[in-house]
Amino acid sequence: AQSVAQPEDQVNVAEGNPLTVKCTYSVSGNPYLFWYVQYPNRGLQFLLKYITGDNLVKGSYGFEAEFNKSQTSFHLKKPSALVSDSALYFCAVRDYWGYSSASKIIFGSGTRLSIRP
Amino acid sequence: DGGITQSPKYLFRKEGQNVTLSCEQNLNHDAMYWYRQDPGQGLRLIYYSQIVNDFQKGDIAEGYSVSREKKESFPLTVTSAQKNPTAFYLCASSIETGAGGIDELAKNIQYFGAGTRLSVL
Repeated sequence: AQSVAQPEDQVNVAEGNPLTVKCTYSVSGNPYLFWYVQYPNRGLQFLLKYITGDNLVKGSYGFEAEFNKSQTSFHLKKPSALVSDSALYFCAVRDYWGYSSASKIIFGSGTRLSIRP
Repeated sequence: DGGITQSPKYLFRKEGQNVTLSCEQNLNHDAMYWYRQDPGQGLRLIYYSQIVNDFQKGDIAEGYSVSREKKESFPLTVTSAQKNPTAFYLCASSIETGAGGIDELAKNIQYFGAGTRLSVL
């Protein structure tokens, strides 16, 4: 079965500094990988998706993610952090139900990003 | 949260009572999902539906039931059999059909509602 792991529960960064939120994956076949963000008491919002091709995927709010096949990683990055980036971030991977083309998304445990002014 | 509406925002359940959480989408998505989120934790899949009148159990379906009579609607009932229902419940929908090009980019992206916070009285 497909899975993702987020090794850090919390990441703290000063405003204006670059940020990285880590994610590693375990899949059979080609991975479909995602990043989502959740603000307090809200649903998740889609940030970006990797299917194939360019290893650097650009997403919403200035975020990007780097796909690294040899390290089985899909880290989320931003060159300059904003206080408003403080939220809970989830890495996710597509998995199949096992019949037809039905699929579901497996979410990681989440990483809380805190940006200090 | 655009396109998916969850109601109510807050819900209180008395012991032995069944309660129903509403989820409606106007995105014309074929697949819909229910997740449970506990404090400080990730999402756990309760039920999933790919088409009308069909749904599948997720990882933690015990004590929950769903129906999918219309494409736009996927209500979740938390039954009295669910002994620890206090959590944040999230509904989502996605496109699952289509292949190649723009269709492939749009597939599998889940759009979430704003959530329902359920507590026990």
